[in-house]
Amino acid sequence: GGIITQTPKFLIGQEGQKLTLKCQQNFNHDTMYWYRQDSGKGLRLIYYSITENDLQKGDLSEGYDASREKKSSFSLTVTSAQKNEMAVFLCASSTNSGNTLYFGEGSRLIVV
Amino acid sequence: GDSVTQTEGLVTLTEGLPVMLNCTYQTIYSNPFLFWYVQHLNESPRLLLKSFTDNKRTEHQGFHATLHKSSSSFHLQKSSAQLSDSALYYCALRGTNKVVFGTGTRLQVLP
Repeated sequence: GGIITQTPKFLIGQEGQKLTLKCQQNFNHDTMYWYRQDSGKGLRLIYYSITENDLQKGDLSEGYDASREKKSSFSLTVTSAQKNEMAVFLCASSTNSGNTLYFGEGSRLIVV
Repeated sequence: GDSVTQTEGLVTLTEGLPVMLNCTYQTIYSNPFLFWYVQHLNESPRLLLKSFTDNKRTEHQGFHATLHKSSSSFHLQKSSAQLSDSALYYCALRGTNKVVFGTGTRLQVLP
């Protein structure tokens, strides 16, 4: 088995600040994802990456950057934090051929 | 682009009654994978069941679903709800590498 580790669990920042969330997986999975979870809006895809150094935009990519410098890690940056962006951010991974997504425990973003 | 629709935001029912959560989807991909994920309180989503095959029933942990490509549907059912089934249920679609989720249905099972 493997594990997905998201850091930090809580990220508190000020409005306008650039904030970064990190995700590490030891499944040796090819594809990694960042989703944003808001109550009533489900899981919305921000970015995904099918291999090292690949980046694909999801439906909610505006205001975010991502980086996949290693196969095992995928980071997400909020370029200018806004109060309406307070949500839980979930990282997930899967193989390219397989289909099950494995999720991390989530990172909660709080903007003050 | 790909999309998933879950029409019910909240389903409340009494223990022992049958469960049906609706899911329809849109994709140009002819062989999509459809999934149901379940998220219990203070946990992350985890896979409940998945299907790739048209008109074949898939079962896991008492839940079942059948992918119907003709109606683009993948409804989740269970014959008898248990209190422990109370959770948030997401339907999801994978066309290529991108996995898209619906807005989720919260199932509340009452004694």
